[in-house]
Amino acid sequence: EIVLTQSPGTLSLSPGERATLSCRASQSVSSKYLAWYQQKPGQAPRLLIYGAFSRATGIPDRFSGSGSGTDFTLTISRLEPEDFVVYYCQQFGSSPWTFGHGTRVEIK
Amino acid sequence: EVQLVETGGGLIQPGGSLRLSCAASGFSVSSSYMSWVRQAPGKGLEWVSVIYSGGVTYYADSVKGRFTISRDNSKNTLFLQMNSLRAEDTAVYYCARDFYGSGSYYHDLWGQGTLVSVSS
Repeated sequence: EIVLTQSPGTLSLSPGERATLSCRASQSVSSKYLAWYQQKPGQAPRLLIYGAFSRATGIPDRFSGSGSGTDFTLTISRLEPEDFVVYYCQQFGSSPWTFGHGTRVEIK
Repeated sequence: EVQLVETGGGLIQPGGSLRLSCAASGFSVSSSYMSWVRQAPGKGLEWVSVIYSGGVTYYADSVKGRFTISRDNSKNTLFLQMNSLRAEDTAVYYCARDFYGSGSYYHDLWGQGTLVSVSS
């Protein structure tokens, strides 16, 4: 099973700052099969990034994804108030599909 | 409108059974790949099961042999039959539509979730 380790567990930043979230895989994952989701309290996850780099429909361009192999990154260029929630990465390259444990972005 | 609506959650005793439903609208379940994902209270996301359009199914080891994913094409509905339930199965269960194309795979549409509580 591929283990995804997200860091940091919690990221404390101010609105307008840049957020860099890491997702490290225990084995190489094809970038085609790496996705990022955002989850707001009491809501279902929402797809942000697929194929490691591609923004989902309706996702603002302040969200971007990068990386390859075992190291992937979600970057939020300028934090808006609604971005202070939890983010998960997920891999579909090897069964069972697995999620990272999440990074919470909180207001500093 | 394209959406997924889960029902069937509730409080169930350990060892009991429950069937979750996920009604789809705006697209066909039979021609889609569909997954179940769960989230224990205050915890992260865990993929549970998938059914491909051809009917092939896969399960997480934690539920293999106890849970069964299926669909009713005439009702455009996805199901998750959960047997031999344990306390650790307590979670919000989400159904999700999977997209596979252009060399990528991801959950592109999620339901609002239904809570399953396993407790005596």
